[in-house]
Amino acid sequence: GEDVEQSLFLSVREGDSSVINCTYTDSSSTYLYWYKQEPGAGLQLLTYIFSNMDMKQDQRLTVLLNKKDKHLSLRIADTQTGDSAIYFCAETFFGNEKLTFGTGTRLTIIP
Amino acid sequence: DTAVSQTPKYLVTQMGNDKSIKCEQNLGHDTMYWYKQDSKKFLKIMFSYNNKELIINETVPNRFSPKSPDKAHLNLHINSLELGDSAVYFCASSPNSGSPPRSYEQYFGPGTRLTVT
Repeated sequence: GEDVEQSLFLSVREGDSSVINCTYTDSSSTYLYWYKQEPGAGLQLLTYIFSNMDMKQDQRLTVLLNKKDKHLSLRIADTQTGDSAIYFCAETFFGNEKLTFGTGTRLTIIP
Repeated sequence: DTAVSQTPKYLVTQMGNDKSIKCEQNLGHDTMYWYKQDSKKFLKIMFSYNNKELIINETVPNRFSPKSPDKAHLNLHINSLELGDSAVYFCASSPNSGSPPRSYEQYFGPGTRLTVT
């Protein structure tokens, strides 16, 4: 079965790094995504990673994938107030139109 | 240039009523989805259509009926509304053609907040 878990809440001081974690259970997952949901809005894709990669960096975002432990993380460097949002990880595999979303992590920035 | 749009943005109605939410995408995508997000922000897929054909139908009460008149539109009709239907409903679309993972990337609408009283 597919079950994607995240911590529900994370608080970080402005300027520090945020690390949002995700654990998935479907070993056939091929593609993993991070989405951001700002208050009152829909989800926006931030970044994605193939399951044959260990790391992907995109400006302030770094995605780390530990396939052995089925653990995915999103690091946001120099966290800003505009990063306040709910972050969802999601997984799918080749040939599957369905994305399975995690429970979401609410990131709060402390001034 | 709105990519995925939904109407209405807010919908307040009484129990027992029938209501519809409309969704349109101008991205030329093949696949569209309906999601339900509850008060705890958990996101669950309800339906998916690919080129007007139903491909995903999760465990959803029969009171919910999607309709796709063409591949750019996916509407959601809800009969006999119940208190538990109160949630934010998101429409999304994805290309599902071309090379993954971008082909699986989903673009979300702004959501429709449904409140049943």
